[in-house]
Amino acid sequence: EADIYQTPRYLVIGTGKKITLECSQTMGHDKMYWYQQDPGMELHLIHYSYGVNSTEKGDLSSESTVSRIRTEHFPLTLESARPSHTSQYLCASSGQAPGGELFFGEGSRLTVL
Amino acid sequence: KNQVEQSPQSLIILEGKNCTLQCNYTVSPFSNLRWYKQDTGRGPVSLTIMTFSENTKSNGRYTATLDADTKQSSLHITASQLSDSASYICVVIDRGSTLGRLYFGRGTQLTVWP
Repeated sequence: EADIYQTPRYLVIGTGKKITLECSQTMGHDKMYWYQQDPGMELHLIHYSYGVNSTEKGDLSSESTVSRIRTEHFPLTLESARPSHTSQYLCASSGQAPGGELFFGEGSRLTVL
Repeated sequence: KNQVEQSPQSLIILEGKNCTLQCNYTVSPFSNLRWYKQDTGRGPVSLTIMTFSENTKSNGRYTATLDADTKQSSLHITASQLSDSASYICVVIDRGSTLGRLYFGRGTQLTVWP
């Protein structure tokens, strides 16, 4: 079992609301990632971090923002949710080696009405 | 253009039967390839990793093969169980950058019927 946790697992909110998806890992990994996954589609990288105070945008453009104030914590925030943000969001972490195994959280399924 | 293509998109088999899932990639230069299993509503979990020099690797009832010349990999599941019902995702890592960029396939949705 991987020691990476996401909350909430499910969230249904109205348009315009601000939301934060939490992600924490206890493996001491420096690298953390946020992926977006829609049914039948591949995972798309939206944000990543290689350590404290380091954040970068991924391949898929996203209106969300992230922060990395502590090694173990990598929250994702949407300031004003829209129905187009409805998706599954997966947080992951990995060790130092390039292309190392990704350890995923259980995911946060967001529905914006 | 997705550089990792998986087939079939979905597959239904009876419990106890074997099956093989395919992954073709165009990622270059190649570093390694992983197969992940993703249960419905859960995060993916790594099953195997294949490096350039490896042809086959087993993990219990799962056996992965790699042909780096033709850029193909397969995942063979033996004596399927109901718990094998999941999406199986092929992920290829390139070594062309220090970041080890990952390319994901769309997955094969496997359903095992009793």
